[in-house]
Amino acid sequence: QQQVKQSPQSLIVQKGGISIINCAYENTAFDYFPWYQQFPGKGPALLIAIRPDVSEKKEGRFTISFNKSAKQFSLHIMDSQPGDSATYFCAARRSGTASKLTFGTGTRLQVTL
Amino acid sequence: NAGVMQNPRHLVRRRGQEARLRCSPMKGHSHVYWYRQLPEEGLKFMVYLQKENIIDESGMPKERFSAEFPKEGPSILRIQQVVRGDSAAYFCASSQSPNTDTQYFGPGTRLTVL
Repeated sequence: QQQVKQSPQSLIVQKGGISIINCAYENTAFDYFPWYQQFPGKGPALLIAIRPDVSEKKEGRFTISFNKSAKQFSLHIMDSQPGDSATYFCAARRSGTASKLTFGTGTRLQVTL
Repeated sequence: NAGVMQNPRHLVRRRGQEARLRCSPMKGHSHVYWYRQLPEEGLKFMVYLQKENIIDESGMPKERFSAEFPKEGPSILRIQQVVRGDSAAYFCASSQSPNTDTQYFGPGTRLTVL
């Protein structure tokens, strides 16, 4: 019930294209959905996050789309650049005393020239 | 404006030895979380601590693993009698309060057990 499923496992996109990564969750108590970006040898860095009261959030080239009824959310990277090549993790958190994040398994994105 | 600091960055231990991983949260943060990342996998929650208190250790293995966050000094994740399966990247994150959404991650400690 705590699981967050992420797909695809890996993704290759040409420079300038749109990268789309999808996540699905089961626990309806989740109320915070962040995306983290991780470069090799580094820690995850918060990219963008959304709450269920909105269906979309945009920050620069990064957009989260959220579908509460389907229990799905996705990350769209517009105009993908080689510098976006990294592993992306979706995560979810539920309100309450425990603030732990439940992570998806990650998507390795490669943006080619 | 230092972020979350972890040391050592790399740690090599032989089977049966002890590993001590340290985490200093961001300034002003008193909540620390430890996560483990196995190769090619996502991060798995281990333990959540406030100063001098363990709040949630539901992700900690029952044996050999312990964590503390003393009143003074960094948080410590301790692994006794390490085995090869403990080889992983261990990340620490911190937040200002339990209800603060954002957790800031450190660079991690990569543990290799020979």
